[in-house]
Amino acid sequence: SQQGEEDPQALSIQEGENATMNCSYKTSINNLQWYRQNSGRGLVHLILIRSNEREKHSGRLRVTLDTSKKSSSLLITASRAADTASYFCATADTGTASKLTFGTGTRLQVTL
Amino acid sequence: DTGVSQNPRHKITKRGQNVTFRCDPISEHNRLYWYRQTLGQGPEFLTYFQNEAQLEKSRLLSDRFSAERPKGSFSTLEIQRTEQGDSAMYLCASRITGDGNTIYFGEGSWLTVV
Repeated sequence: SQQGEEDPQALSIQEGENATMNCSYKTSINNLQWYRQNSGRGLVHLILIRSNEREKHSGRLRVTLDTSKKSSSLLITASRAADTASYFCATADTGTASKLTFGTGTRLQVTL
Repeated sequence: DTGVSQNPRHKITKRGQNVTFRCDPISEHNRLYWYRQTLGQGPEFLTYFQNEAQLEKSRLLSDRFSAERPKGSFSTLEIQRTEQGDSAMYLCASRITGDGNTIYFGEGSWLTVV
């Protein structure tokens, strides 16, 4: 079953604008990871944030985590057409499996 | 490229036939996961291995599905007596155990059951 929801389900912006995607989850987590998926392709890992971290940066990406609200956000700054993809948050549980539970994804369209 | 490798990338099969997918994880990754993804949804966990041991199976993994990792390296996922509802992308992922280690995914294997 899906862990939670991404919001919005779809987002359309122009190149150069910032894109913000939100993710909510339901259970205690060890870490939260964001992935990108181009149509028909596999998942590309973007960034991992541990449960004791509040913010993390990687290039044009900024991720925040609020464990009290069980939510996370992904900000892509100065978006490019190549950023067009689906973005998923995935939570790693605190059990030994550390398997990921994915949300439903946000489809981002960046137009020229 | 030393990423997670999956084959075949695409498989079209008739209902009732058996299919097998192979996954070669990143070298030295002792954890291997299988996920299934249908159109418009996020991936859903199927099963995982620690070395050669299959340690957890989702309820999604019916008795028609079997996964193996005989030598703790590559893994196979077999679906017997395929049904149209099995049509999906099957994703393999791997990692090294440890706190916060990234899980790396392959390109997936698309299955279409006609």
